[in-house]
Amino acid sequence: GALVYQYPRRTICKSGTSMRMECQAVGFQATSVAWYRQSPQKTFELIALSTVNSAIKYEQNFTQEKFPISHPNLSFSSMTVLNAYLEDRGLYLCGARDHGTANSDYTFGSGTRLLVI
Amino acid sequence: GDSVTQTEGLVTLTKGLPVMLNCTYQTTYSPFLFWYVQHLNEAPKLLLKSSTDNKRTEHQGFYATLHKSSSSFHLQKSSVQLSDSALYFCALRSQGGRALIFGTGTTVSVSP
Repeated sequence: GALVYQYPRRTICKSGTSMRMECQAVGFQATSVAWYRQSPQKTFELIALSTVNSAIKYEQNFTQEKFPISHPNLSFSSMTVLNAYLEDRGLYLCGARDHGTANSDYTFGSGTRLLVI
Repeated sequence: GDSVTQTEGLVTLTKGLPVMLNCTYQTTYSPFLFWYVQHLNEAPKLLLKSSTDNKRTEHQGFYATLHKSSSSFHLQKSSVQLSDSALYFCALRSQGGRALIFGTGTTVSVSP
């Protein structure tokens, strides 16, 4: 079946430092990878959508300068949180989808929980 | 742009009672609606999905019907169990977009 492995599961970083999280798709082609942040207020905010061979589309309030994303092939994507501060804490989720399969759903990773101290 | 609205932030009820969680959406494209359930410290898992108007879809005792006329996809269950305590998200993927747009989520708390 389709699986997405996301790591690390949780991480703590000092305020002002950066951390990188990764997602690995297994059993399908991750044509699109969407990155979300679930804030302590629980809403899932879309950070950006990355589609292989297309430009990465960032949502309002999120920038490439703060959340650079790499999506080099159909099985892997990473996102870095640069200069993390308290407001960046939360659960970061990646979801991947195969465009080659009709009506395919997003498969989500387990999330990376970021604590900033 | 696309949006999803969930009106209830918290629903508390006793085991065995029915529950309905509201979900409405806005899009100018053909919609694909989803319900995800997230248990504590876990990633959200797909519960239900539909893109067919007026057709009921069911899974694990939960059911929902997409009504395009009212832009709704309410989640229901006839008799909740303790294990149904979780966070429930309604999500939309429109034909015009490729990412899921989530609602704000509804916490369901079931007591004995």
